[in-house]
Amino acid sequence: EPEVTQTPSHQVTQMGQEVILRCVPISNHLYFYWYRQILGQKVEFLVSFYNNEISEKSEIFDDQFSVERPDGSNFTLKIRSTKLEDSAMYFCARSSGGRDTQYFGPGTRLTVL
Amino acid sequence: QKEVEQDPGPLSVPEGAIVSLNCTYSNSAFQYFMWYRQYSRKGPELLMYTYSSGNKEDGRFTAQVDKSSKYISLFIRDSQPSDSATYLCLTGGTSYGKLTFGQGTILTVHP
Repeated sequence: EPEVTQTPSHQVTQMGQEVILRCVPISNHLYFYWYRQILGQKVEFLVSFYNNEISEKSEIFDDQFSVERPDGSNFTLKIRSTKLEDSAMYFCARSSGGRDTQYFGPGTRLTVL
Repeated sequence: QKEVEQDPGPLSVPEGAIVSLNCTYSNSAFQYFMWYRQYSRKGPELLMYTYSSGNKEDGRFTAQVDKSSKYISLFIRDSQPSDSATYLCLTGGTSYGKLTFGQGTILTVHP
């Protein structure tokens, strides 16, 4: 199964700071996604990204969040001004098609203090 | 009403038991259904993917979908301690790429 790498594995930040979470999918996948999982809660969809554009975003994905694939390889999630409630596991996923199986990375644990 | 409902358990069974995991969903527009497994502090990994009503078997795992009753099941035969994980049911198809997760069922298979 193709791999998705996420960095860092754990990020600790102060409230109000900006964080960038990175995902390195294999290059021939075109569809990318971010999900988050707050401790003890279910995994929630944040955003889907195709052809360098956002395809869909959830109500969670407000103006504090942005995504991009700046160098055609890494896929990033930026949180501009972190809040305590942003503490969660953030999973990147990718697929070869919009309705195809999504493969998840190991996640980045974000802790906002 | 939650889009996907799943009993979080926890569920504890002896090794060798048949495990039945279930989900219900509310939106008849969902077109495809998946089961993922998640070990502690890891990302979800795909177990089963199906589009249609009926059964799909893969080794010790059988996924069952009943679209008329909006019911999804996963059966694990001859369960092993290595099957101990959280099992997630997911649906998709209402919009491009977005997956909707159930709460997850925590399963422990004890030797």
